[in-house]
Amino acid sequence: AQTVTQSQPEMSVQEAETVTLSCTYDTSESDYYLFWYKQPPSRQMILVIRQEAYKQQNATENRFSVNFQKAAKSFSLKISDSQLGDAAMYFCAYRRIQGAQKLVFGQGTRLTINP
Amino acid sequence: SAVISQKPSRDICQRGTSLTIQCQVDSQVTMMFWYRQQPGQSLTLIATANQGSEATYESGFVIDKFPISRPNLTFSTLTVSNMSPEDSSIYLCSVGSHRDRSLNTEAFFGQGTRLTVV
Repeated sequence: AQTVTQSQPEMSVQEAETVTLSCTYDTSESDYYLFWYKQPPSRQMILVIRQEAYKQQNATENRFSVNFQKAAKSFSLKISDSQLGDAAMYFCAYRRIQGAQKLVFGQGTRLTINP
Repeated sequence: SAVISQKPSRDICQRGTSLTIQCQVDSQVTMMFWYRQQPGQSLTLIATANQGSEATYESGFVIDKFPISRPNLTFSTLTVSNMSPEDSSIYLCSVGSHRDRSLNTEAFFGQGTRLTVV
């Protein structure tokens, strides 16, 4: 079974600085998707970024980028120029491409932005 | 992207009663998922709602406790039956990004239902 591990329960960063959230996963599949979702206090799950495992290039979305290390099964999220609105719970998630399309989530990292 | 409307957004219920949560999507989707998020925890899949057939439940979740309906490609309900305080959680509906299973990439979520059982 696939598992996702986030080893940082909480992180904090100064506004405008850069922070990196860690995620590791375990799978025997060769093709899959990895995601970072953001959950603010509103409870809404918001997709931050997606990475396809067959793509070597790291995904980027504006201030958000990932460091995808397939061999190491590592998928970290870097937030540049942190803003107060980035404060939220961040969940790393895994999904197979074939077969069951459910998401497997990590435990989450609570990110605090200090003004 | 899909727009998902989930009702109710929150409720406080007496133990022993049941609550039905509704999930309405603005487009036809093949797969709908129901997740539970216990206080301070991550999301755990309860079941996959299949149109026209029985839902597929994950280990630790049973149909008698969490019956699911999926009458069409835009709507599903999850019922939390015979509730106890341990059922106090956020329940979230989720759909794939494309009706064609092979084109599904990310998942979209409803705003969740915060359930408190007293």
